[in-house]
Amino acid sequence: DAGVTQSPTHLIKTRGQQVTLRCSPKSGHDTVSWYQQALGQGPQFIFQYYEEEERQRGNFPDRFSGHQFPNYSSELNVNALLLGDSALYLCASSWGTAETEAFFGQGTRLTVV
Amino acid sequence: AQSVTQLDSHVSVSEGTPVLLRCNYSSSYSPSLFWYVQHPNKGLQLLLKYTSAATLVKGINGFEAEFKKSETSFHLTKPSAHMSDAAEYFCVVSVGYGGATNKLIFGTGTLLAVQP
Repeated sequence: DAGVTQSPTHLIKTRGQQVTLRCSPKSGHDTVSWYQQALGQGPQFIFQYYEEEERQRGNFPDRFSGHQFPNYSSELNVNALLLGDSALYLCASSWGTAETEAFFGQGTRLTVV
Repeated sequence: AQSVTQLDSHVSVSEGTPVLLRCNYSSSYSPSLFWYVQHPNKGLQLLLKYTSAATLVKGINGFEAEFKKSETSFHLTKPSAHMSDAAEYFCVVSVGYGGATNKLIFGTGTLLAVQP
């Protein structure tokens, strides 16, 4: 069983550009959350998708948007990239509405130059 | 609001000696608490979780943590460190929302170094 998979693993973009990151959840999971981890810091919650809807959102600007597809996979889009958006972006998947473990992917390292 | 504070940014121990990584939490109700580990260039792995059952929680790789409500603490311990334990450790609290799967609030992390 493949765990949470993210693509691409690394990405370099220029300021002002747009980027799309992708996540496939662990088999059987229906909830996907995205986190941003800046260098030397703990991950910060961006948003969570459940049943193709954004369920919760952290303190991130509207430049950060997402989508969840019927197969539960998800995309994170960031528009008008800033240097400060350089970070490791982590996807986590989980199942259902109870207190369950979140499984993390290895992340996408985004560098904005 | 829920939050966690990791009291040490760096901890260094010798192989074979005990490990103590400290975490205090803030929560207006009984929290769900976790410890995650992150090895270099790898994803986050759950070590253990507390969800209001037994206050002493055993996890993988010999780690355990004790939930102490009176001290609002959830410290991570291991009796004997191994070289492979060198990694970054995160104390995490989950925040519920309308019954949906919770979002995680991470501490700033503790980098554990293990000396031979």
